[in-house]
Amino acid sequence: DVVLTQTPVAQPVTLGDQASISCRSSQSLVHSNGNTYLEWYLQKPGQSPQLLIYKVSNRFSGVPDRFIGSGSGSDFTLKISRVEPEDLGVYYCFQATLYTFGAGTKLELK
Amino acid sequence: QIQLVQSGPELKKPGESVKISCKASGYTFTDYAMHWVKQAPGKGLKWMGWINTYTGKPTYADDFKGRFVFSLEASASTANLQISNLKNEDTATYFCARSGTRVYPPFAYWGQGTLVTVSS
Repeated sequence: DVVLTQTPVAQPVTLGDQASISCRSSQSLVHSNGNTYLEWYLQKPGQSPQLLIYKVSNRFSGVPDRFIGSGSGSDFTLKISRVEPEDLGVYYCFQATLYTFGAGTKLELK
Repeated sequence: QIQLVQSGPELKKPGESVKISCKASGYTFTDYAMHWVKQAPGKGLKWMGWINTYTGKPTYADDFKGRFVFSLEASASTANLQISNLKNEDTATYFCARSGTRVYPPFAYWGQGTLVTVSS
């Protein structure tokens, strides 16, 4: 089974700073068709998750450009530049070939 | 606008069954896949499976084969999740989520979640 390992488990930040979250897979996520189906979701406290990034680096409709997804193969990163209060919550990576979530990274205030 | 509205919280005893509904609006129901995701209290997200809303064919993740059934009431634009022989470990919030295009990305739009509590 594919395992997605997210680090760190918790990321303390100051508003306005940049934050970075890593998602590493136990195997390459490149599909046989050449695409990589890796997404990022944010679950704010008390809310349903919301889609931020799909296919590694594509922002979903309405997602601010301070969210930047990158990576390839088995190593992926979500960067949030200039963290704002509404960015706080738990971030999950997800791979849509074998449908596995990472364990989550909590973005919290220092 | 696209909306997924789920049924309300449920309190059940072990061994009972529960049926959760997810009513869709704002789009053609049969054009997009519907997924189900489980979140135990204080825990992460777990994909349960999905249903092809055009054919009605369900696909279950390995951990959700047997007691879990996905179904549709397409005329009512509603997807359902039924769990039988409830166990304490089924206590969780269950989310429905619609795909962005026909099948991808899988969880573009989410319901508000339904909390199922299993307790004797």
